[in-house]
Amino acid sequence: KQEVTQIPAALSVPEGENLVLNCSFTDSAIYNLQWFRQDPGKGLTSLLLIQSSQREQTSGRLNASLDKSSGRSTLYIAASQPGDSATYLCAVIGKDSGGSNYKLTFGKGTLLTVNP
Amino acid sequence: SAVISQKPSRDICQRGTSLTIQCQVDSQVTMMFWYRQQPGQSLTLIATANQGSEATYESGFVIDKFPISRPNLTFSTLTVSNMSPEDSSIYLCSVEISAKTEAFFGQGTRLTVV
Repeated sequence: KQEVTQIPAALSVPEGENLVLNCSFTDSAIYNLQWFRQDPGKGLTSLLLIQSSQREQTSGRLNASLDKSSGRSTLYIAASQPGDSATYLCAVIGKDSGGSNYKLTFGKGTLLTVNP
Repeated sequence: SAVISQKPSRDICQRGTSLTIQCQVDSQVTMMFWYRQQPGQSLTLIATANQGSEATYESGFVIDKFPISRPNLTFSTLTVSNMSPEDSSIYLCSVEISAKTEAFFGQGTRLTVV
């Protein structure tokens, strides 16, 4: 059974700092990995998608890396801003237990607070 | 990409009642997914809804409690039946175009059962 772990559970940084969020998964047989942002009480906004054959993806101040063999991904946020404050979720897509459908498995997220 | 509209955005319901959540997608998709996010927890898949067939439920979720409809390729509903305070959660609808593309989510329905 796939398990996704995110470290740290919470992080508080001053504005302008560069930071790294970590995600690990137990089953390396994944199709892709996706990072999301969730504001309090809201839905999920997709940030970056990394295919299983890729090593990293970049979007603006965000850079996500994937090491499939070791079951790890990192989300790097450069020059953090107060508007970056949110919960960041990592999810992997792989086959379900029956092997016929695919499903997303989520980590519990990292609650990021960027202080002005 | 896909734009997903979910209704209602929030509701406060009495225990023992039922609530139906709607999910509308701006394009035709084969698979739609319903998730639950309990307070302080991550997302848990409730069921997968394919058009024209019965929904497939994950372990711990049953059709009597969470009936799902999927009448066409752009719409689905999830009903939370006979609600109790333990059903207080955010419920999210999602679509994925394929296993190799992004998953897109609705804005969620924040349900409080009193």
